[in-house]
Amino acid sequence: AQTVTQSQPEMSVQEAETVTLSCTYDTSESDYYLFWYKQPPSRQMILVIRQEAYKQQNATENRFSVNFQKAAKSFSLKISDSQLGDAAMYFCAYGRGSQGNLIFGKGTKLSVKP
Amino acid sequence: SQTIHQWPATLVQPVGSPLSLECTVEGTSNPNLYWYRQAAGRGLQLLFYSVGIGQISSEVPQNLSASRPQDRQFILSSKKLLLSDSGFYLCAWSVISPNEQFFGPGTRLTVL
Repeated sequence: AQTVTQSQPEMSVQEAETVTLSCTYDTSESDYYLFWYKQPPSRQMILVIRQEAYKQQNATENRFSVNFQKAAKSFSLKISDSQLGDAAMYFCAYGRGSQGNLIFGKGTKLSVKP
Repeated sequence: SQTIHQWPATLVQPVGSPLSLECTVEGTSNPNLYWYRQAAGRGLQLLFYSVGIGQISSEVPQNLSASRPQDRQFILSSKKLLLSDSGFYLCAWSVISPNEQFFGPGTRLTVL
């Protein structure tokens, strides 16, 4: 069975600095998707970034980028120029297009210090 | 554009009472639909998902049930609530591939 592990329950970063959140997963499949979701205090889940496993190029969305290491089954999220609004829970998720449901990690709580 | 609605936003119910949470999606056809529960400070637990009208898959056996009476409507129900049913309930939708999911605003349920 597929699993997703986020080993950092909490992280902290200074405003304007860079932080990296870790995620590892376990799967025997070769074709899948990986996601990072953000859950601010409002608890609305917001998709931050998506990575297709068949793509070697790391996905980037503005200040958010990933380091996707397929062989190592690692999928970290880098947030550059951190802002106060980045403070939230961040969830890593794994999915296979044919099955629809996602498997989520337990989350990392990110605090941003002014 | 697609939007997803959930109601109510907040609910306080006594133990043993029934439950009905509703989720509707606009702007898409034949979506996959999901119900998740999130305990305070915890991750997401998938409860049910549906790939079409009347098609429900249960991930966790418990006193909750789900129904999909219309293409874009997903309902979470219980005949008798337990204290352990308290939590934050999220509805989500996706297309088949890529299966990124888009979430509703959630319902905070407190069972007393």
